[in-house]
Amino acid sequence: DQQVKQNSPSLSVQEGRISILNCDYTNSMFDYFLWYKKYPAEGPTFLISISSIKDKNEDGRFTVFLNKSAKHLSLHIVPSQPGDSAVYFCAASLSGGSYIPTFGRGTSLIVHP
Amino acid sequence: DTAVSQTPKYLVTQMGNDKSIKCEQNLGHDTMYWYKQDSKKFLKIMFSYNNKELIINETVPNRFSPKSPDKAHLNLHINSLELGDSAVYFCASSQAQGAGNTIYFGEGSWLTVV
Repeated sequence: DQQVKQNSPSLSVQEGRISILNCDYTNSMFDYFLWYKKYPAEGPTFLISISSIKDKNEDGRFTVFLNKSAKHLSLHIVPSQPGDSAVYFCAASLSGGSYIPTFGRGTSLIVHP
Repeated sequence: DTAVSQTPKYLVTQMGNDKSIKCEQNLGHDTMYWYKQDSKKFLKIMFSYNNKELIINETVPNRFSPKSPDKAHLNLHINSLELGDSAVYFCASSQAQGAGNTIYFGEGSWLTVV
């Protein structure tokens, strides 16, 4: 049972344009969401997070939007840069207790110069 | 000054062998994890340790046995390796368990069973 779904395995974007990576979740109890970025031959690194009390969180070129009613979140990268080319993992968690985040399968972003 | 380091990075071994992957973190974190990324690319939690104590053991075959000699180390031993064990194994750590604690991952260990 895939509680966190990233239905697009890959995305190709031109440098300077917006990249939008999507993520859906099935468990309505999830209230904390994270994005991790992974370069080849490296481990994932934390990028940005959002709590369900917000619908938007912004950090520089990265913005995460949360639509609780649709159980959907998205990561926007503006403007996209070639160095953003990586696999992006969406993860969902419960803010209370010691729940360990559930990860999706990742979306591979390629930003063309 | 790698935060979470795991060795070996690449491992090719035959079915039936026993192998270990070592992990160390120098972040002073209390919680360590082992994740598996299989061919379907999902990152799945296998084990979680907090201060050397096993907290979470997901549905993982008994052939997988984690060992935490101290809170900075969490090693993964795998007995009687099978073809299906081929995957990338990530060690990770966080200050504590819970959503607000950023998880720091190692670079991964690519295990290929032939």
